[in-house]
Amino acid sequence: SAVISQKPSRDICQRGTSLTIQCQVDSQVTMMFWYRQQPGQSLTLIATANQGSEATYESGFVIDKFPISRPNLTFSTLTVSNMSPEDSSIYLCSVNGVGNTEAFFGQGTRLTVV
Amino acid sequence: QKEVEQNSGPLSVPEGAIASLNCTYSDRVSQSFFWYRQYSGKSPELIMSIYSNGDKEDGRFTAQLNKASQYVSLLIRDSQPSDSATYLCAVISSGSARQLTFGSGTQLTVLP
Repeated sequence: SAVISQKPSRDICQRGTSLTIQCQVDSQVTMMFWYRQQPGQSLTLIATANQGSEATYESGFVIDKFPISRPNLTFSTLTVSNMSPEDSSIYLCSVNGVGNTEAFFGQGTRLTVV
Repeated sequence: QKEVEQNSGPLSVPEGAIASLNCTYSDRVSQSFFWYRQYSGKSPELIMSIYSNGDKEDGRFTAQLNKASQYVSLLIRDSQPSDSATYLCAVISSGSARQLTFGSGTQLTVLP
């Protein structure tokens, strides 16, 4: 299984500011995935980040709100821009295992917007 | 119609009993199915994967897959209080970039 380091683990942010979440993997991976988990809800895919190309966003998520960088095969960032209390969630970075099957998750970033 | 559906629960079972968690999915050509366990405040942890019809056993956990009925389940034998968590069913559907689609999760409580 991949070892995924995600930071920060939690943050409390002011409305209108932005937060960048970092995800580091211990091996090279083609795709990295960013999920959001709102309180009491399941995981919703925000976007898929491929190295060397634009991220692919799911319905309901846009690049201006959630810009993503993928500078190399082991690292990605997700920025939550112009935050509002509705953005309070856990944000999770994920990669697929060998054989591109099951997904492994970072420890998550618990974001609270006040 | 949601792509992956689970009973949200909560489901309570006594310690030592069998907990049965169910999941249905809408994409008939889905090939890969997973069960994740998520403790409160933690990230999901993979506990079982299943790819072909039938049963797959791993310790106290058994995953069951029926592609004809588009149904996958997880049985937990000899349930322990430490099994109390939310269990997420996840599916890799056709045409996707290998990302998972998750059900809403079933909250399980094992009563001592």
